[in-house]
Amino acid sequence: QKEVEQNSGPLSVPEGAIASLNCTYSDRVSQSFFWYRQYSGKSPELIMSIYSNGDKEDGRFTAQLNKASQYVSLLIRDSQPSDSATYLCAVRPVTGSARQLTFGSGTQLTVLP
Amino acid sequence: SAVISQKPSRDICQRGTSLTIQCQVDSQVTMMFWYRQQPGQSLTLIATANQGSEATYESGFVIDKFPISRPNLTFSTLTVSNLSPEDSSIYLCSVEDRQGAGQPQHFGDGTRLSIL
Repeated sequence: QKEVEQNSGPLSVPEGAIASLNCTYSDRVSQSFFWYRQYSGKSPELIMSIYSNGDKEDGRFTAQLNKASQYVSLLIRDSQPSDSATYLCAVRPVTGSARQLTFGSGTQLTVLP
Repeated sequence: SAVISQKPSRDICQRGTSLTIQCQVDSQVTMMFWYRQQPGQSLTLIATANQGSEATYESGFVIDKFPISRPNLTFSTLTVSNLSPEDSSIYLCSVEDRQGAGQPQHFGDGTRLSIL
């Protein structure tokens, strides 16, 4: 089983719709969760961090975390064509000296005008 | 967040040669991370570079192939040695904004490496 799993997509949504991106992780001690956006040919850009169960909202983005289910999601409201990118879920435990991020394979999102 | 500059941004190299990638940060950071992103794939950590100590390599990556230097708190280099077509990837350095287990990482623009 992969440590961090995402649906690879591609996921297509019409402009103005809600895009829902999902991620599951296997390490129960994970405490820090991140969503990165990566445009084609560019490096990953951090868009959301979440550490506690529940929802965290930032503009059109909402991250949702359920540690019991080992599940983290990203909702993009009022999707725009400029949101078309690959979204990477990253997880990191807090235990010991483990500081590296473990990335999912990414979900490719296309927002159709 | 820290400003991270990577050089070169891209290169095309011959088989058997080596390429050294530089990563410069505009503030002092304890840890710098080097990742590889193969075509169509996600990011895989190569190693963690601490100033004043040997880099810590992840499973599947060895120092002879990926030597790393970390001479000070704002700079690191990654060398990819004895290049083969399988080394064609994007190489990325990253840093944490602030020291702490829960801090996110931010990435440089990456180095796109192609092997002839």
